Order: sequence, then C-alpha cells, then structure tokens
Amino acid sequence: DQQVKQNSPSLSVQEGRISILNCDYTNSMFDYFLWYKKYPAEGPTFLISISSIKDKNEDGRFTVFLNKSAKHLSLHIVPSQPGDSAVYFCAARRAGGTSYGKLTFGQGTILTVHP
Amino acid sequence: NAGVTQTPKFRVLKTGQSMTLLCAQDMNHEYMYWYRQDPGMGLRLIHYSVGEGTTAKGEVPDGYNVSRLKKQNFLLGLESAAPSQTSVYFCASSLRDRGWDQPQHFGDGTRLSIL
Repeated sequence: DQQVKQNSPSLSVQEGRISILNCDYTNSMFDYFLWYKKYPAEGPTFLISISSIKDKNEDGRFTVFLNKSAKHLSLHIVPSQPGDSAVYFCAARRAGGTSYGKLTFGQGTILTVHP
Repeated sequence: NAGVTQTPKFRVLKTGQSMTLLCAQDMNHEYMYWYRQDPGMGLRLIHYSVGEGTTAKGEVPDGYNVSRLKKQNFLLGLESAAPSQTSVYFCASSLRDRGWDQPQHFGDGTRLSIL
C-alpha cells in the first residue's frame, strides 16, 4: 500500500523555466510534508517542508503547495537551473511524539534541467 | 562537521554471509533510522531507534537486526544475507520531535550487493 505516490518517474525542463513536481498521499493522518533532493552517490538532503496548517511555503526558488482536500502537494522550482538536476523525493509524517519522526517516502522523480 | 557517516560505502557479499553496517552521527540526535532504497520503491524504513538502548521495527524489518548501544551509533546487521537484500542502505538521524519541523539528516549510503 503506497501511501505516498509520485506518479511521474521523470521530468525534463529547460533552464530558466519552471519545474513542477507532484506528490499524492492517501493517509489523512499525515500532517507534515517534506521534499528531499538526492544527487547520485549521495544521501538525500532536506529541501523544504510544509505543515498541514499552511497551503504554501517558500524558500528562495523553491515553493511547496499543499492541497489537503485533494491530498496533493507540489514543488515548484523557479527558475530551474542545471544544478537542480537530481532525484526529488516527497515524504510525509504524522506529528506527535508517537510518530517518532518516521517518514513515508514517495518513489522519487528524476528531474533533468537542460542548459 | 561530519554529520552522518556510514561505513562501509560498498560491499559485496555471498548468500548466507553476515555483516554489519555502521552509522555514526555527531549531532547529538536522539532519533536514528535505517532505510533501504530500491529502484521504483523510494526509501523504506527498516528499523529505527528513539534513544540509546532502544530499537523498533519499521516497514520492512525482516532479515535485519539493529542495535544502539551508544547514542551516536546505530548498527544494522544482516545475519544471513539473501539476494533480495541487495540494495542501497541509508542511515538518518534527527532531533526528538517537539511538535515542529525536525528534518532527518542522511548519510551518503552503503551500496550492498548479495551474490
């Protein structure tokens, strides 16, 4: 049972354009969502997050949008740069002490930004 | 600042052999996690620990054991390796969840092949 899904295995974008990566979830108990970026031969690095009490969070070129009713979130990268080429993972977790910060990950989307 | 360090980076085993993967973090984090990453599957939680001397099962614990004798170290053991355990293993750590964002910090992974 895949509780977090990234239905696009890959995305190709031209430098300077917007990249939009999508993520859907099924567990209504999730109330915190994170995006991680991963380069080859490295571990995932935290990029941006959003709490379920918000519908948008921005950090520089990166913006995450959350639509709770649709159980959908998206990551927008504007403008896209070649250095953004990586695998992007969406992750979700429940808040509260008994969740112990455990994350449920999507399958990942490979983003390629062409110069 | 080393962050999360995983040892070894690569290893090839024969079916039935045993080995231990070591994870060390220098951030004084309470929580530690072991994940495996397989193609098309994202990262899946194997075991986790919420403090020294404690461990708990994650999503895919079968065939693995863990120990956390010291706060900074989290060991993952394979008692009798099987080809299905060929994967990339990631260790992560985070501060204790105090109701706000505590992203997990990842090591660079151990690539394990079981022949």
